[in-house]
Amino acid sequence: AQTVTQSQPEMSVQEAETVTLSCTYDTSESNYYLFWYKQPPSRQMILVIRQEAYKQQNATENRFSVNFQKAAKSFSLKISDSQLGDTAMYFCAFISYNFNKFYFGSGTKLNVKP
Amino acid sequence: DVKVTQSSRYLVKRTGEKVFLECVQDMDHENMFWYRQDPGLGLRLIYFSYDVKMKEKGDIPEGYSVSREKKERFSLILESASTNQTSMYLCASTLGAPKAEAFFGQGTRLTVV
Repeated sequence: AQTVTQSQPEMSVQEAETVTLSCTYDTSESNYYLFWYKQPPSRQMILVIRQEAYKQQNATENRFSVNFQKAAKSFSLKISDSQLGDTAMYFCAFISYNFNKFYFGSGTKLNVKP
Repeated sequence: DVKVTQSSRYLVKRTGEKVFLECVQDMDHENMFWYRQDPGLGLRLIYFSYDVKMKEKGDIPEGYSVSREKKERFSLILESASTNQTSMYLCASTLGAPKAEAFFGQGTRLTVV
C-alpha cells in the first residue's frame, strides 16, 4: 500500500518570506503523480501544483515550486513571497498511474503572519 | 469548470440512523471517491468507484457502504450511524490517468449525537 507522510503538523511564516513544506511517500510503483492541495477555512480543496514522476524537471506555478527527489521519495513544496491568503491546510497526495486511488498525507497547517 | 456538489454542508443525525451523503459531478468523470477528514489524520479513503455499479473498498470501509447507479452520482451510506463517525466527509471525482487531478466537493460536516 502507498503511504504519504507529512512530518510538520503546523508551520508559521512571515508575510513575504519563503517557506518549505515537506512530504515523503512510499511506493513500489515507477509511474505516478504527486500533488499539493490547499484547503483554506472555506474547506474547498484547491490544487496547488502537480508533478508527474517521469518528468525530472520540478514543477512550478507562479510562487509555488516543488523539489521532487524520486530516489529519496521526497516531494517538498516551496512557497515564495508568502501572502496572507496562503494561510491554509496543505495536503500532499499521491496517485499511481495504473490505479485510481488517491492517498493523502495528514496535512500541514500553514499560518502566514503579517 | 468541473463541479462536484455534495448535498449538505452540515448534517446532524442521531445514533442508529441510516444516513445518506450524496455527491454529484457534472463532468462525466469515471472515478469518484469518498474520504473522511479528521484532524491529524488527513484524508482517509473510505470507498471509491471507477464505473457505474463498480466499487472498491478504501482503507476504512467499516460501517459504510456506497452506491453508484448513475455515472454522475456517488452516494455514501452510513448503515447505522455512530458517534465515532462524526467527521468531515469529502467527495472527489477525477478522470483516469494521465489527467489524474481530483476535483472536490465542499465537504459535509456530519455530527452524530
